[in-house]
Amino acid sequence: GQSLEQPSEVTAVEGAIVQINCTYQTSGFYGLSWYQQHDGGAPTFLSYNALDGLEETGRFSSFLSRSDSYGYLLLQELQMKDSASYFCAPRVDSWGKLQFGAGTQVVVTP
Amino acid sequence: DAGVTQSPTHLIKTRGQQVTLRCSPKSGHDTVSWYQQALGQGPQFIFQYYEEEERQRGNFPDRFSGHQFPNYSSELNVNALLLGDSALYLCASSLEDRWKSYNEQFFGPGTRLTVL
Repeated sequence: GQSLEQPSEVTAVEGAIVQINCTYQTSGFYGLSWYQQHDGGAPTFLSYNALDGLEETGRFSSFLSRSDSYGYLLLQELQMKDSASYFCAPRVDSWGKLQFGAGTQVVVTP
Repeated sequence: DAGVTQSPTHLIKTRGQQVTLRCSPKSGHDTVSWYQQALGQGPQFIFQYYEEEERQRGNFPDRFSGHQFPNYSSELNVNALLLGDSALYLCASSLEDRWKSYNEQFFGPGTRLTVL
């Protein structure tokens, strides 16, 4: 079957580091995308891992282990504006179809 | 450079009615995907259009149909609306990646559909 698991909610204080784990089981797999979505807004692209390893983009980093069907998004130096929902989304076919789970709500407190 | 645009922003319909949602992709993009996002859930894939044809489809009934025009813009049509069709409908555009190595999808702001 197909499944996608990530924590439903994470709370942290400004300046902290948060890691959002994602485990997936899909019929096809080409890579793992991460998207951020603020309330009422559009999902915005954060990162994409096609190969194993760590990708760093500013304060955000993403990791993939294909053999473990596992990835994570690391948010460093948390800011209030980082309060949002974060989705891991496996790319499940060659045409770029994304499979989304329910997402992780990140709440940043002062 | 305009990103992905969608219209209308909000829409209220009653059960049984039909609705058409519109999407203009990011400049230079040729592929359009539609997603449905229910409250508190992640986006669910409806279908994808490329070269004016539906290339693939998610687990949605035939009441959901679409179209892509020569300028790559797209429409999503939903017939015989049900209460459960109330959701945020998102359009995402991308550039066909011949080498299948990368695929960043840009999402529009969505159309909030409420069915009463």
